[in-house]
Amino acid sequence: AIQLTQSPSSLSASVGDRVTITCRASQGISTALAWYQHKPGKAPNLLIYDASSLQSGVPSRFSGSGSGTDFTLTISSLQPEDFATYYCQQFNSDPYSFGQGTKLEIK
Amino acid sequence: QVQLVESGGGLVKPGGSLRLSCRGSGFRFSDFYMTWIRQAPGKGLEWISNIVTTGSTVHYADSVKGRFTISRDNAKNSLFLQMDSLRVEDTAVYYCARDPGPYGEYGWFDTWGQGTLVTVSS
Repeated sequence: AIQLTQSPSSLSASVGDRVTITCRASQGISTALAWYQHKPGKAPNLLIYDASSLQSGVPSRFSGSGSGTDFTLTISSLQPEDFATYYCQQFNSDPYSFGQGTKLEIK
Repeated sequence: QVQLVESGGGLVKPGGSLRLSCRGSGFRFSDFYMTWIRQAPGKGLEWISNIVTTGSTVHYADSVKGRFTISRDNAKNSLFLQMDSLRVEDTAVYYCARDPGPYGEYGWFDTWGQGTLVTVSS
């Protein structure tokens, strides 16, 4: 099974900051990666699919990049509503798997 | 709007059974692959099972294989998860999610329910 390792596990930042979260796969997955935002008590929200495609309705301050084993999610200018936990997910091979999450907190 | 609503969670003893339901609305349910994903307390997300549009093919994570059964009733726009031989470690919020690929599998999930909590405890 493919393992995904996110870094950092938690991150403190301020409104307006540029933030980057990394996801590393245990083997190459081409661009078969998605990113989600999850707030407590809410349904997870799809941000990025195919490593770099922005889901409809998601603000353009979110972007994704990478291929193979190394991927990044970047938020160009943090907004108050962006404080949440972020997960990457691979869909290259069964069983699909998620990273352990990165909790983004207000500094 | 496109929506998924889960139900059926609750408290059950180890070794017991529970059946979760997920009802879809705002889209043609029968056209989409569906998935169950769970999140244990303080843990990350775990993919556990999916089912193709017709219900003819299903997949399971090793952690639930042989104990959980996924099914669907397209006439009722509903997805199910029959959970048997429940263990304490199955305690989690269970989400149903839609794969956005029409008639096929994209692999990511564009619509999720709010989740239903399953607690396995004596």
